Amino acid sequence: DGGITQSPKYLFRKEGQNVTLSCEQNLNHDAMYWYRQDPGQGLRLIYYSQIVNDFQKGDIAEGYSVSREKKESFPLTVTSAQKNPTAFYLCASSPSHRGETEAFFGQGTRLTVV
Amino acid sequence: AQSVTQLGSHVSVSEGALVLLRCNYSSSVPPYLFWYVQYPNQGLQLLLKYTSAATLVKGINGFEAEFKKSETSFHLTKPSAHMSDAAEYFCAVSRNTGGFKTIFGAGTRLFVKA
Repeated sequence: DGGITQSPKYLFRKEGQNVTLSCEQNLNHDAMYWYRQDPGQGLRLIYYSQIVNDFQKGDIAEGYSVSREKKESFPLTVTSAQKNPTAFYLCASSPSHRGETEAFFGQGTRLTVV
Repeated sequence: AQSVTQLGSHVSVSEGALVLLRCNYSSSVPPYLFWYVQYPNQGLQLLLKYTSAATLVKGINGFEAEFKKSETSFHLTKPSAHMSDAAEYFCAVSRNTGGFKTIFGAGTRLFVKA
């Protein structure tokens, strides 16, 4: 089955730790995205990538980093610089970066700071 | 600048009743508009999208939305609610000009009463 796989589903982080969230897609999509979801705030864009080896900051990139070394993979690292990382993180992809193309979402990773 | 406003963070209807979820947008250029649904602890799934073809757009699970330029609205409706429709719904707007930018609304949680 084609789709987007995020792992792990739940993740616990101690303060001061970096953690990496995995996102893999087998849809052969060029564009990939990371969103953060907090209750009552909708989705906010962290980073996006239109093509391999290229990525752009979104609205809330501070404290996060990404890489796009392979077309199918777009991991997100939440660094210790992110002061409030507890949230639901969603990875998405789309066939192109054009506005009329919809996004396909993974099942999400819930990150909790302990 | 683009923005999306979803009126009502929570909407409650009885099973069999009309579902109406409101979305208003602002965009300086013709927009593309989307409705997504999210079930608890899952990613978002596309319900329908408007891309400047027919103003009345039919989606999955019996939902439809009408693009009204004069009212800058894209409300989501379903004639008869089912218990399985209980979820959170997000309206989103994007465009091709001025670079990629998809903006999501804050979401409306739909409750369906038996």
